[in-house]
Amino acid sequence: EPEVTQTPSHQVTQMGQEVILRCVPISNHLYFYWYRQILGQKVEFLVSFYNNEISEKSEIFDDQFSVERPDGSNFTLKIRSTKLEDSAMYFCASSDEGSGANVLTFGAGSRLTVL
Amino acid sequence: GESVGLHLPTLSVQEGDNSIINCAYSNSASDYFIWYKQESGKGPQFIIDIRSNMDKRQGQRVTVLLNKTVKHLSLQIAATQPGDSAVYFCAESDQAGTALIFGKGTTLSVSS
Repeated sequence: EPEVTQTPSHQVTQMGQEVILRCVPISNHLYFYWYRQILGQKVEFLVSFYNNEISEKSEIFDDQFSVERPDGSNFTLKIRSTKLEDSAMYFCASSDEGSGANVLTFGAGSRLTVL
Repeated sequence: GESVGLHLPTLSVQEGDNSIINCAYSNSASDYFIWYKQESGKGPQFIIDIRSNMDKRQGQRVTVLLNKTVKHLSLQIAATQPGDSAVYFCAESDQAGTALIFGKGTTLSVSS
């Protein structure tokens, strides 16, 4: 069964450092997303990406965050200067139009710990 | 702002019982609803979805009910099994391709 893969599974970083989280969405999917989940809390939308541009973003996704699709397979989330409150589980997801654009398939997540 | 939420943070049932997990939403423009299951250490996994032009949809052992009058969504799990133990989230959006907004989650614990 096709799956969304994310790397790294866990990253520990110092406050102020740049972090890049990587995702390989399902190959025929057209919509890509990043969500985050602070421990014990709900899953929060960060950004959606379609046709090589951001289609929607939340207020969490400020100018410290950026996304990129550098090639035909990867989708990355960059946090320019991490803060303690960025510590969370970050989930990448993708979807296609055929099964309904909102049926997101999520990856297993990347845990980010900012010290 | 408008958001999706769940009535109870935890639900404990015995194996074989039927489980009902509830969700209230406030955005009357919401057109699409999904239930996700999240097991410990994993990402959310799609269970079942429903559009606002329906009031009931059934899957394998799961049923989603939508009451647009009171803006209420529920997930029914028949013959609950220990493997159903997880956190269940409802999510909504107001049109295809826009962001899914998740509720806070209900932790379902199934004891044998």
